[in-house]
Amino acid sequence: GAVVSQHPSRVICKSGTSVKIECRSLDFQATTMFWYRQFPKQSLMLMATSNEGSKATYEQGVEKDKFLINHASLTLSTLTVTSAHPEDSSFYICSAGTQETQYFGPGTRLLVL
Amino acid sequence: ILNVEQSPQSLHVQEGDSTNFTCSFPSSNFYALHWYRWETAKSPEALFVMTLNGDEKKKGRISATLNTKEGYSYLYIKGSQPEDSATYLCASHLTGTASKLTFGTGTRLQVTL
Repeated sequence: GAVVSQHPSRVICKSGTSVKIECRSLDFQATTMFWYRQFPKQSLMLMATSNEGSKATYEQGVEKDKFLINHASLTLSTLTVTSAHPEDSSFYICSAGTQETQYFGPGTRLLVL
Repeated sequence: ILNVEQSPQSLHVQEGDSTNFTCSFPSSNFYALHWYRWETAKSPEALFVMTLNGDEKKKGRISATLNTKEGYSYLYIKGSQPEDSATYLCASHLTGTASKLTFGTGTRLQVTL
């Protein structure tokens, strides 16, 4: 099956710094990728849809200036958490694929101190 | 039902037991229902994508059924094995939402010897 990688798997940063998370489709091209966030004991919540070569589409309540998404190639999307704060600590996971099947990365656990 | 709900939240069975769990989802504007298997520290793995009312799909010892009119799907595992231990997620895909998935919180299955 298709493989999606995510890097880093875990990151700890200081409050006020920015963190970049990469999502790569390793053996297929993805014009669309999705970024989700999961807080403890909650479901995966879609944050934004990343579109290759155009602006991302953000879900209601997700600040586009805080969560910068760049999808510069057909195999790479990045999510940058700018000026991170402790409340941004969460599990971030990306997916890519077709309308039929989404393939997920392994996720990134972010801890902001 | 407005959200995707899964029950039970967790389940502990012994090796060899058969088990099943439920996913409830909005029946209006239904397009597809996805099941994923998510082992700790790994990527969620797609199990089934179901679209038609009355659909039944099978993959080895795991099978799933779909009722789109009443908005529920069952996942069955026959003869559970320790390697079946994982969180099982379902996600609803509505028409006109461009591959956007709405997830339940998952059922965490633990199979012991």
